[in-house]
Amino acid sequence: GENVEQHPSTLSVQEGDSAVIKCTYSDSASNYFPWYKQELGKGPQLIIDIRSNVGEKKDQRIAVTLNKTAKHFSLHITETQPEDSAVYFCAASKNSGYSTLTFGKGTMLLVSP
Amino acid sequence: KAGVTQTPRYLIKTRGQQVTLSCSPISGHRSVSWYQQTPGQGLQFLFEYFSETQRNKGNFPGRFSGRQFSNSRSEMNVSTLELGDSALYLCASSLGHNTDTQYFGPGTRLTVL
Repeated sequence: GENVEQHPSTLSVQEGDSAVIKCTYSDSASNYFPWYKQELGKGPQLIIDIRSNVGEKKDQRIAVTLNKTAKHFSLHITETQPEDSAVYFCAASKNSGYSTLTFGKGTMLLVSP
Repeated sequence: KAGVTQTPRYLIKTRGQQVTLSCSPISGHRSVSWYQQTPGQGLQFLFEYFSETQRNKGNFPGRFSGRQFSNSRSEMNVSTLELGDSALYLCASSLGHNTDTQYFGPGTRLTVL
């Protein structure tokens, strides 16, 4: 089955710095890659996603890049703010007749003022 | 549009008991997926229901079961609870077509004593 590796497990940055979280996946058939943000006591919230026919996608301070050849994708957050502090999860999915996400282990991002 | 709702939010049970958790998807969504989240294993897929049928199942013992009703609401049941079943149980809903976006509820925090 699919396996998703996520690094780093924790990331500490100063407010205003950029943060990068990287994920690799094993199943070359995977073609959908969402990123979720989870705050304490809440469920994961989708922040951005990318499909395999696109190499990069941007939404204000957040961007995701995808390299299908290398089977890795990354989340980039620019001009970080304290409210960006949370756990971020990457996931992968494919056209298989059903909806199943395989998640990375998560990255705890701490943004210091 | 209302988001995914889960009830109850918190639950305390003792070993050997059984528990039923409920999930109401976003209106119009026909797929409901269940995930177990623990600090050690992260987010793991339990099963997915679409139009009252289980379409996919993760690698969990038969003590974990679920069902979906005609209004797309779903329940999951865990019988003969073990200490290791303590976790945050999340449900996610989507339209149900392959790699459609999944939206998560706030989760049910289950503690087994």
